[in-house]
Amino acid sequence: GAVVSQHPSWVICKSGTSVKIECRSLDFQATTMFWYRQFPKQSLMLMATSNEGSKATYEQGVEKDKFLINHASLTLSTLTVTSAHPEDSSFYICSASHPSRTDTQYFGPGTRLTVL
Amino acid sequence: GQQVMQIPQYQHVQEGEDFTTYCNSSTTLSNIQWYKQRPGGHPVFLIQLVKSGEVKKQKRLTFQFGEAKKNSSLHITATQTTDVGTYFCAATTSGTYKYIFGTGTRLKVLA
Repeated sequence: GAVVSQHPSWVICKSGTSVKIECRSLDFQATTMFWYRQFPKQSLMLMATSNEGSKATYEQGVEKDKFLINHASLTLSTLTVTSAHPEDSSFYICSASHPSRTDTQYFGPGTRLTVL
Repeated sequence: GQQVMQIPQYQHVQEGEDFTTYCNSSTTLSNIQWYKQRPGGHPVFLIQLVKSGEVKKQKRLTFQFGEAKKNSSLHITATQTTDVGTYFCAATTSGTYKYIFGTGTRLKVLA
């Protein structure tokens, strides 16, 4: 149980375009999801916390207008990278907290974004 | 903001040798989790520590939470090639549910 999926697993786009990444909890309802970014050989950096039905809470230094997060249902959160640039190329990973074990996060497989 | 440092950054060991990574915070932690990330993969949850001085074991892995709840360690006994990967600690402070990841320790095991 507690499976989290992400789609797509990888995406290549042109500079200036927008890319949407989906994060789904497959067998549980996640009231809270987290979005992380990981550059090569670096740690995971928390970008934002997403709560179902409310606005996401962004970490300091993360542009909310550039990284749009929508958590419209208890099983789906989306991250849209708007007007992507090469410096946005990274590994984006989401995680979801299980309602009965809010202290544990279950990670999705990640999405590798490459902006040309 | 809160920072969680891990040492060492890299570690190469011969198969069969032991390995330890340390996680340190300047602030008192509520709890700490450990994750393993294989190359190209996503972090996989290993364990959570909550109590001061807590020690937990999983086969060859031993996890410890410091008495002051400001540091933690992961020790692997007799490493195997399957232990290769990056080990991250992730910590949260009291009253928050956000986990801040440590800088990670990349382990390579030479056969």
